[in-house]
Amino acid sequence: EAGVAQSPRYKIIEKRQSVAFWCNPISGHATLYWYQQILGQGPKLLIQFQNNGVVDDSQLPKDRFSAERLKGVDSTLKIQPAKLEDSAVYLCASSLSYYEQYFGPGTRLTVT
Amino acid sequence: DAKTTQPTSMDCAEGRAANLPCNHSTISGNEYVYWYRQIHSQGPQYIIHGLKNNETNEMASLIITEDRKSSTLILPHATLRDTAVYYCIVKGSGGTSYGKLTFGQGTILTVHP
Repeated sequence: EAGVAQSPRYKIIEKRQSVAFWCNPISGHATLYWYQQILGQGPKLLIQFQNNGVVDDSQLPKDRFSAERLKGVDSTLKIQPAKLEDSAVYLCASSLSYYEQYFGPGTRLTVT
Repeated sequence: DAKTTQPTSMDCAEGRAANLPCNHSTISGNEYVYWYRQIHSQGPQYIIHGLKNNETNEMASLIITEDRKSSTLILPHATLRDTAVYYCIVKGSGGTSYGKLTFGQGTILTVHP
């Protein structure tokens, strides 16, 4: 079974530029999550989708971050404009049931 | 969701059992205890979860105290590949907590040869 795919794996941008990350969840998983992990900290949930609807986006900085999940499969997370403090690993996860979440390898973003 | 407390770091000799403690004294009756681990430069990996009974799978065992205020993750025969950050998470079963994992700092487990 293929795992959660993410691209790109690494991205370096300058502050005030925009960036987008892509996630392809495990086939059949209705729930998709985006997490932000700052160096030395545990992951923090940014947004949760159930099919193509948003379940929880309470910790998403909506003035600069946006996410969509068209057709309830792939998802993109965008940052515009980026700030230095957005440097982090962005993790995508998906789940079939309530219990286990399966994480992708993440995208490491460096904002200079 | 209830808050968890874990030691910052632990060491273990290869081949020995690794016992990782977690305190969750404010856990409520419908909250599960989950364990995930994160190997360097990878995404977190689900290990095991439980409500009140002890659980075992191919990766580990989870021992939950009778009052549910603490638990221990046991890796029976640790290998070098088990070196990782281990997260103990208490997760609600409904409402706005559905699905949401709240990660703390975790325990850095280092397995030595």
